[in-house]
Amino acid sequence: ETGVTQTPRHLVMGMTNKKSLKCEQHLGHNAMYWYKQSAKKPLELMFVYSLEERVENNSVPSRFSPECPNSSHLFLHLHTLQPEDSALYLCASSQGGAATDTQYFGPGTRLTVL
Amino acid sequence: EDQVTQSPEALRLQEGESSSLNCSYTVSGLRGLFWYRQDPGKGPEFLFTLHSAGEEKEKERLKATLTKKESFLHITAPKPEDSATYLCAVQPNYGGSQGNLIFGKGTKLSVKP
Repeated sequence: ETGVTQTPRHLVMGMTNKKSLKCEQHLGHNAMYWYKQSAKKPLELMFVYSLEERVENNSVPSRFSPECPNSSHLFLHLHTLQPEDSALYLCASSQGGAATDTQYFGPGTRLTVL
Repeated sequence: EDQVTQSPEALRLQEGESSSLNCSYTVSGLRGLFWYRQDPGKGPEFLFTLHSAGEEKEKERLKATLTKKESFLHITAPKPEDSATYLCAVQPNYGGSQGNLIFGKGTKLSVKP
């Protein structure tokens, strides 16, 4: 595997389900990110981890819970979601600490909440 | 408030018809401006980073330029495979903003043969 991978690629869940999204980066980076992409809206940054510590949480509802066990893996745990949470969830990674820090994205998980 | 505005929202070109996409931004200080390409159902693919006014970068049929208020993505003699949504993002230059990219809504480009 190369770059940033995400599983599953597609997920359909009911409002009472609990599921997790997984992201893995093979680039040796130190920072990882979760974004939400909804139709007709810009990408929204949800969470940032740098060296496995959360450094940013942009007022995301508590039904989204991130976990970063090491610098290569990032999870997004989902529970009691709402239909408006249906979107493309993107993971990204970057070297971190640089003056300008390029982020590289995974293919995304298309989430549908019924 | 930091903001990124891309225009047009959608652009249809004939193959070989050159054009430009615009990204206007307001930010208290610019650490970098990024261009990405996104195909349907996929994640954004990095194209360019620009740091200071006057900087230009090229890749195949694409050329990105930067001024103090906007960036242009010039597409020369486009081909159908250039069809995609092009995203612009800025990275503000203030403390604690690591990873804080602010994205525009994108320009959806369609190139017809």
